[in-house]
Amino acid sequence: GENVEQHPSTLSVQEGDSAVIKCTYSDSASNYFPWYKQELGKGPQLIIDIRSNVGEKKDQRIAVTLNKTAKHFSLHITETQPEDSAVYFCAAGGFQKLVFGTGTRLLVSP
Amino acid sequence: SQTIHQWPATLVQPVGSPLSLECTVEGTSNPNLYWYRQAAGRGLQLLFYSVGIGQISSEVPQNLSASRPQDRQFILSSKKLLLSDSGFYLCAWSGTGGPQPQHFGDGTRLSIL
Repeated sequence: GENVEQHPSTLSVQEGDSAVIKCTYSDSASNYFPWYKQELGKGPQLIIDIRSNVGEKKDQRIAVTLNKTAKHFSLHITETQPEDSAVYFCAAGGFQKLVFGTGTRLLVSP
Repeated sequence: SQTIHQWPATLVQPVGSPLSLECTVEGTSNPNLYWYRQAAGRGLQLLFYSVGIGQISSEVPQNLSASRPQDRQFILSSKKLLLSDSGFYLCAWSGTGGPQPQHFGDGTRLSIL
């Protein structure tokens, strides 16, 4: 089955810096790669997703890149703000199911 | 718009007691439904998913069961809770017909004493 690895487990940046979170997946049949943000005591919220027929997608300060050959995808957050502090999860999958990474705790210091 | 509701938000139960967590979705029909467990500081482990009424797929052997008595209702149950059942339980829904994002409720924090 699918296995998703996520790095780093924690990431501390200064406000205004960029943050990059990386994930690798094992199943070449996976064709859908969402990213979620989870704040304390809440459920994960979808922030951006990418499908396997696209190499890059951007939404304001957030971008995701996908390298199908290498089986890895990354989340890029530019101009970080304190409200970006949260746990971020990547996931990989396709029809019906997703497999999640173990999460990255992002701390943005003012 | 679609919304997902989970309750209760927190629950403290003694070992050996039964469990029933409920999840309902509004604003969509025939969704795929999911139950996940999240241990402290860990990722999300898929427990069950359902593609229709009465259709339940179990991902891991465990002390829990799931049921889908109505199209937009998903229930997580146990007859006798174990200490290891403690955790944060999340319900999610997605559309059908190809890879779709999953949308999560705000979860139930379950503590077993």
